[in-house]
Amino acid sequence: GIQVEQSPPDLILQEGANSTLRCNFSDSVNNLQWFHQNPWGQLINLFYIPSGTKQNGRLSATTVATERYSLLYISSSQTTDSGVYFCAVTGYSSASKIIFGSGTRLSIRP
Amino acid sequence: GAGVSQSPSNKVTEKGKDVELRCDPISGHTALYWYRQSLGQGLEFLIYFQGNSAPDKSGLPSDRFSAERTGGSVSTLTIQRTQQEDSAVYLCASSPLMETQYFGPGTRLLVL
Repeated sequence: GIQVEQSPPDLILQEGANSTLRCNFSDSVNNLQWFHQNPWGQLINLFYIPSGTKQNGRLSATTVATERYSLLYISSSQTTDSGVYFCAVTGYSSASKIIFGSGTRLSIRP
Repeated sequence: GAGVSQSPSNKVTEKGKDVELRCDPISGHTALYWYRQSLGQGLEFLIYFQGNSAPDKSGLPSDRFSAERTGGSVSTLTIQRTQQEDSAVYLCASSPLMETQYFGPGTRLLVL
């Protein structure tokens, strides 16, 4: 099946810094999503982005499907951005099965 | 409006007992997803419903796990003969057809 790798596994930044999180996947995908899980466990779906670029406030994401990677950008980070960011994909062979990466744990220091 | 709700919020059970977890999706959302997250671990996809049907059940960890969805709305995840390794947070999400997913608060299951 498709392998999903996220990097870095851990990231510690000062408030106000920018960050880039990466998601590599091993095969063609027909869907890619980014999620944020806050320190209290609540999950939020950030982007549904099988290709192209999307922006939502301080967050943006770019997926280059032909090169099998996606990037999540966080600008002017705030302490509320802390948590774990997951990338998840579905492949063409099994479009209803979602495969998650192991996540990037982001800690924003005040 | 109301978000995704799950019940119970916490469940403690004895090894070998059956448990039922419930998910009430956002009204009108056709897609419904079940995930689980073990302590300190990442997310594991279990099953996805489009309407009342689940095209792919291969994500369910074993034949002790089953799920159904009736009326295109409420879904129940059933775990038979629970084992200690089933202890986890079980998360449900719904979406309007393969787009942004909205998550419930989860059910924290502890098998003693």
